[in-house]
Amino acid sequence: AQTVTQSQPEMSVQEAETVTLSCTYDTSESDYYLFWYKQPPSRQMILVIRQEAYKQQNATENRFSVNFQKAAKSFSLKISDSQLGDAAMYFCAYRSPFGGSQGNLIFGKGTKLSVKP
Amino acid sequence: NAGVTQTPKFQVLKTGQSMTLQCAQDMNHEYMSWYRQDPGMGLRLIHYSVGAGITDQGEVPNGYNVSRSTTEDFPLRLLSAAPSQTSVYFCASRGYNSPLHFGNGTRLTVT
Repeated sequence: AQTVTQSQPEMSVQEAETVTLSCTYDTSESDYYLFWYKQPPSRQMILVIRQEAYKQQNATENRFSVNFQKAAKSFSLKISDSQLGDAAMYFCAYRSPFGGSQGNLIFGKGTKLSVKP
Repeated sequence: NAGVTQTPKFQVLKTGQSMTLQCAQDMNHEYMSWYRQDPGMGLRLIHYSVGAGITDQGEVPNGYNVSRSTTEDFPLRLLSAAPSQTSVYFCASRGYNSPLHFGNGTRLTVT
């Protein structure tokens, strides 16, 4: 079964600085999807970024980018020019491209990011 | 577009009481699921459905029932609430090859 590991329970960054959140996963599949979700204090789950494993190019969404290392099974999230509104819980997640139970999203335990003004 | 709508937002139950958490989506998504979120545990899958009339268990199904009579609705039933079911519950849906869309969550406290 696939697993997702976020080894940093908490991280802190100074406003305007850059921070990287780590995520590793375990799978025997060659094709899959990876996601980062943000959960602010409002509790809402917000999709930050998505990566398809067959794409070699790292996904980017404005100040958010990923470093996808398929061989190492690593999927880190980089937040540039951190803002106070980036303070949240961040979850890394994995999904198989197949249907049925394999199509379920598997989450890591999350990293709580604090942003210092 | 409403997306995924969960009700209620908050609920307090006494041990042994039953209740239903409602979930509806208006995106015509075939796949729907329920997760619970506990501190330090991330989100864990309770039940999921790949279409009307089809449901299956996730990682932590005990104490919960689901049904899927329509594409739009996927209610989660707690038959006899226990303090261990105190948690935040999320309903989510997705279409084929699309990301998961979440409801705003329900905070449930069982005393």
